[in-house]
Amino acid sequence: EAQVTQNPRYLITVTGKKLTVTCSQNMNHEYMSWYRQDPGLGLRQIYYSMNVEVTDKGDVPEGYKVSRKEKRNFPLILESPSPNQTSLYFCASSHTAGTNFYEQYFGPGTRLTVT
Amino acid sequence: LAKTTQPISMDSYEGQEVNITCSHNNIATNDYITWYQQFPSQGPRFIIQGYKTKVTNEVASLFIPADRKSSTLSLPRVSLSDTAVYYCLVGGYNQGGKLIFGQGTELSVKP
Repeated sequence: EAQVTQNPRYLITVTGKKLTVTCSQNMNHEYMSWYRQDPGLGLRQIYYSMNVEVTDKGDVPEGYKVSRKEKRNFPLILESPSPNQTSLYFCASSHTAGTNFYEQYFGPGTRLTVT
Repeated sequence: LAKTTQPISMDSYEGQEVNITCSHNNIATNDYITWYQQFPSQGPRFIIQGYKTKVTNEVASLFIPADRKSSTLSLPRVSLSDTAVYYCLVGGYNQGGKLIFGQGTELSVKP
């Protein structure tokens, strides 16, 4: 089954304790992206990756890091989480072909609470 | 990057056709228009995508006028299960992969 998986699904942590949210896709997609969703603010892009070893900042990258060492994985790293990073996080992936733009497949989400 | 504007909310009744319009005045030549549906605490799900004119699939139609400065998602005969938030996304990889979602339209379908 084609899917994007995220782990953990729920996480409660404390300020300053480094954490990683994993994202994996089994569709051999080139493009992967991380979004956060907050009430009243919709979906905002954090980081994206056009392919292996190629990452770039989205709209709200401050406080986050990513890496793309393998095509299927795109972990989101919070080196020193703060309460304003409490949010619902989604990973997504899609196929690319030149400049053609295809549908994104989203993961189930990770609800993060930073106290 | 094209900014999108949608109504914040809409109400409808079961069996009616619902049209949600998205405004994107500064859409770029290579941008596509994509609509997603999202239920509470779930990831968005692709509905339909288009570049120009009309696109139809088994769940919706997408109307794009010639100037492409707006688009309309049409949901025929909605049911209670269509209650969700609908997002319009305008973009393409010619801009390097950065994508900006609009605020979304919360559709409420009543019996």
